[in-house]
Amino acid sequence: DVKVTQSSRYLVKRTGEKVFLECVQDMDHENMFWYRQDPGLGLRLIYFSYDVKMKEKGDIPEGYSVSREKKERFSLILESASTNQTSMYLCASSQQGGNARNQPQHFGDGTRLSIL
Amino acid sequence: AQSVTQLDSQVPVFEEAPVELRCNYSSSVSVYLFWYVQYPNQGLQLLLKYLSGSTLVKGINGFEAEFNKSQTSFHLRKPSVHISDTAEYFCAVNPSNNFNKFYFGSGTKLNVKP
Repeated sequence: DVKVTQSSRYLVKRTGEKVFLECVQDMDHENMFWYRQDPGLGLRLIYFSYDVKMKEKGDIPEGYSVSREKKERFSLILESASTNQTSMYLCASSQQGGNARNQPQHFGDGTRLSIL
Repeated sequence: AQSVTQLDSQVPVFEEAPVELRCNYSSSVSVYLFWYVQYPNQGLQLLLKYLSGSTLVKGINGFEAEFNKSQTSFHLRKPSVHISDTAEYFCAVNPSNNFNKFYFGSGTKLNVKP
């Protein structure tokens, strides 16, 4: 089975801190994604990556950056955390960098981040 | 632009009753359609997907969905639910002109009561 592991289930940080959320997948998937999940809004794509060192902005990239130095690891960075970034963050991966629709996305269990 | 509407934020139902979770979408291009389930404190798992072919798609755990192009709908159904089906369900679309983008609905919480 595909395993997508997010480093923390719960995280509490302070306003202005630099926050790193880590995600690792063990199936050699080309595509990796970061979403945030908020009640009533569903999932919104922050960034995705289709290869090492390659990234594309999603629908809500403001205030975030990402890093993909190795194929299995995709990091989400909050440069200066703010309270409106309190949310559930979900990482996902999928096979075949060129045609994501034919392969399902595999999700991690999420990181619930609170910014105080 | 694409949008996905899940009309019901919560659906209460008794065990062994049938259920339908509604999903409508809006898109200027053809789309591929998905249903995911999220159990408490977990990530999302794929239930089923429609890419092409038969408009009736069967998924895991006895769920099925029907693609209706004229009504731009992709409703999820199960003839008899179990307590273990209690979860949040998300409809998602992938537009044919952007294979890396998935647009998710706001989710429907299914609460199965004994």
